[in-house]
Amino acid sequence: GAGVSQSPRYKVAKRGQDVALRCDPISGHVSLFWYQQALGQGPEFLTYFQNEAQLDKSGLPSDRFFAERPEGSVSTLKIQRTQQEDSAVYLCASSLLIGRESNEQYFGPGTRLTVT
Amino acid sequence: AQRVTQPEKLLSVFKGAPVELKCNYSYSGSPELFWYVQYSRQRLQLLLRHISRESIKGFTADLNKGETSFHLKKPFAQEEDSAMYYCALLYGNNRLAFGKGNQVVVIP
Repeated sequence: GAGVSQSPRYKVAKRGQDVALRCDPISGHVSLFWYQQALGQGPEFLTYFQNEAQLDKSGLPSDRFFAERPEGSVSTLKIQRTQQEDSAVYLCASSLLIGRESNEQYFGPGTRLTVT
Repeated sequence: AQRVTQPEKLLSVFKGAPVELKCNYSYSGSPELFWYVQYSRQRLQLLLRHISRESIKGFTADLNKGETSFHLKKPFAQEEDSAMYYCALLYGNNRLAFGKGNQVVVIP
């Protein structure tokens, strides 16, 4: 079946522009995660949804970052007034269940954002 | 706070030689550790998790709580093992904290 998909795959934005990154999780997956991966680093947690509820946004680096999942399926990560330090790969992951039941997180291909 | 450390950035090994990727963690709760792998031009995928105690593609990893380590090992490296490997710790029930990753290059 189809895995997690993300669009666009590449995005170039001028500093100060707003961007919106989309994630389509695996159908039926309850949990959805966003991670940010800077060059040469591992992914870092940004935010987490359980269905439509955003249960943790502690990893969002500033109030310019906003995520939503209004119908508990597709999610959008929005970055307002982009800065050069926002340049990174943004990864989306989904998992079937919730809680600490060793749920495997399935990752999307990522969106590479470059802010010029 | 949770932390995952992978000290070596790049590891080059000859085909058939053993490979070991080191991972140390710090976490106040009960640790649950994973290894993720990213092959060239592919997405990040789970390689193995400590609770399943299984060998995947010849790789094994043992959780050592005393040394707070979860090193990944394979006795005989193959060319197809060339990839980026990330150690990850599950915290807060379902968030993952990743290390910086190890680039493994297997030389034919």
